[in-house]
Amino acid sequence: KNQVEQSPQSLIILEGKNCTLQCNYTVSPFSNLRWYKQDTGRGPVSLTIMTFSENTKSNGRYTATLDADTKQSSLHITASQLSDSASYICVVSPLGAGSYQLTFGKGTKLSVIP
Amino acid sequence: NAGVTQTPKFQVLKTGQSMTLQCAQDMNHEYMSWYRQDPGMGLRLIHYSVGAGITDQGEVPNGYNVSRSTTEDFPLRLLSAAPSQTSVYFCASRLTSGAAYEQYFGPGTRLTVT
Repeated sequence: KNQVEQSPQSLIILEGKNCTLQCNYTVSPFSNLRWYKQDTGRGPVSLTIMTFSENTKSNGRYTATLDADTKQSSLHITASQLSDSASYICVVSPLGAGSYQLTFGKGTKLSVIP
Repeated sequence: NAGVTQTPKFQVLKTGQSMTLQCAQDMNHEYMSWYRQDPGMGLRLIHYSVGAGITDQGEVPNGYNVSRSTTEDFPLRLLSAAPSQTSVYFCASRLTSGAAYEQYFGPGTRLTVT
């Protein structure tokens, strides 16, 4: 069964610090990997989308990396801000006929404190 | 563009009642889907549609019906509400079912079944 595991479950950091969130997946064959940000009480918003041939993708202070060989991805947040407090969700899409069936991780809840 | 809209934002139902959650998008997207989000779990796919007149089941379809008569609208019907359907429901859309297209989520409907 396709699975996406995220770590840590939760994280507290001081404003201005950097952090890295991890995502391991078993989805195979693999098409693309997405990172979403979900603020409390709102729908997920896309941060990055990477295909299997991409190693890194940036969106402002957010940088995602992908190692398709080890089936691992990370999301690095630079110079955190209070507004970065949210859940970050890793999502993997399989290749082929099941490409509609995205597999979602449970998310990492990030709290940025002053 | 309004993006993906959902109504209502909140709903309380009694066991056995039926209701329809509304979802609409104004981006001319072919692919639309419904997810539920429960505490401690990743988003799970309920039903999806790859175009007007075409729907299919996702991971957790039992107790829900969908139809897609227009490109814009994709309502989700609860036939006979059960407490296990207490959840937050998200509608999403993207250009097509394949490839690494951006997926947009609505703001969600928080449903409580008593």
